[in-house]
Amino acid sequence: EPEVTQTPSHQVTQMGQEVILRCVPISNHLYFYWYRQILGQKVEFLVSFYNNEISEKSEIFDDQFSVERPDGSNFTLKIRSTKLEDSAMYFCASREGGVSTEAFFGQGTRLTVV
Amino acid sequence: SQQGEEDPQALSIQEGENATMNCSYKTSINNLQWYRQNSGRGLVHLILIRSNEREKHSGRLRVTLDTSKKSSSLLITASRAADTASYFCATDSNDYKLSFGAGTTVTVRA
Repeated sequence: EPEVTQTPSHQVTQMGQEVILRCVPISNHLYFYWYRQILGQKVEFLVSFYNNEISEKSEIFDDQFSVERPDGSNFTLKIRSTKLEDSAMYFCASREGGVSTEAFFGQGTRLTVV
Repeated sequence: SQQGEEDPQALSIQEGENATMNCSYKTSINNLQWYRQNSGRGLVHLILIRSNEREKHSGRLRVTLDTSKKSSSLLITASRAADTASYFCATDSNDYKLSFGAGTTVTVRA
């Protein structure tokens, strides 16, 4: 069964460093998302991506964050100058169409900023 | 903005019992989806119910949707230890993104 894969599963980084979280969405899917979940809290929407551009972003997704689909298969989230409060699980998701299609989530990347 | 809110926050039941959790939301939706998350793992899609549907079944899962009350419920029948997880509702509106609630943590005791 097709699945969304994320790498790495766990990333530890020093405060102020840049990290890139990688995702391979399901191949025929058109919509891509990044969400994050701080330990014990809600799953929060960060950004959606469609047709090679950001379609929507949340207040969390400020200039520190960027997304890219560099080669037609990977979908990356870059966090510049990480802060302690960026520590969270980051989930990538993809869906085949728009509304009324299920979203498939990856297993997540646990980011720890020290 | 987050608009799905689950109730209760936590639920502990005996194996074999049914588990019911509710989700309320604020604005109009195209569909509502339920997900399961085992501790520290990813989100697994359980079921999607469209705004023009009132009830849907999938195995031991039963979901209802009442758009007039802006609420949904998820029933897990004959629960098993493996059902221990957090359950989230997510609303899907015209903006193509899912908005998640805080989740219900279900513990099934053997």
